[in-house]
Amino acid sequence: DAGVTQSPTHLIKTRGQQVTLRCSPISGHKSVSWYQQVLGQGPQFIFQYYEKEERGRGNFPDRFSARQFPNYSSELNVNALLLGDSALYLCASSLEGRANYGYTFGSGTRLTVV
Amino acid sequence: DQQVKQNSPSLSVQEGRISILNCDYTNSMFDYFLWYKKYPAEGPTFLISISSIKDKNEDGRFTVFLNKSAKHLSLHIVPSQPGDSAVYFCAASRRALTFGSGTRLQVQP
Repeated sequence: DAGVTQSPTHLIKTRGQQVTLRCSPISGHKSVSWYQQVLGQGPQFIFQYYEKEERGRGNFPDRFSARQFPNYSSELNVNALLLGDSALYLCASSLEGRANYGYTFGSGTRLTVV
Repeated sequence: DQQVKQNSPSLSVQEGRISILNCDYTNSMFDYFLWYKKYPAEGPTFLISISSIKDKNEDGRFTVFLNKSAKHLSLHIVPSQPGDSAVYFCAASRRALTFGSGTRLQVQP
């Protein structure tokens, strides 16, 4: 029974580059959310998608974008990388994108920008 | 503006005793509160949640208490076990989750 899968697990990028992170939700889950966790802080909300439509956006610059595909998987794109984008990027899936249905997190993608 | 705060960055308790982790929030529109546990190099793992219309929810060794008038919730772990050692995050929801900064719990054998 597969949980939330994220790829890649680790990557290193140079300032100014672009990166794409991927997430596959739990089978049957229609909502995917993205969070950024910087060392020493709690995860911060970036985006939420439900049924391929953006349902919410956190306080992140336009360099961050995302989309959800017909199979409910999702990609997070970050352009013009800055050193401060170095973080653990977490994907969470849920049945309908509401807390009462629960959110299940993947193990994350560790992005290092040098 | 931190809407969810965990003011204790760390807590150390003896095995078998009670662990109490605290969380304060400012937004009265939150409708659900959750606790997650996180080990290094893993994603947060859901522990227990509570609706804003309740004041207590229990699941085995874990109990969450909600005091809406004080905008405060707490997680009680009884009895504490060494395997409970991890970082605990409080989160509040209207739709997306707003997390606190976490409390590192160390349970000493």
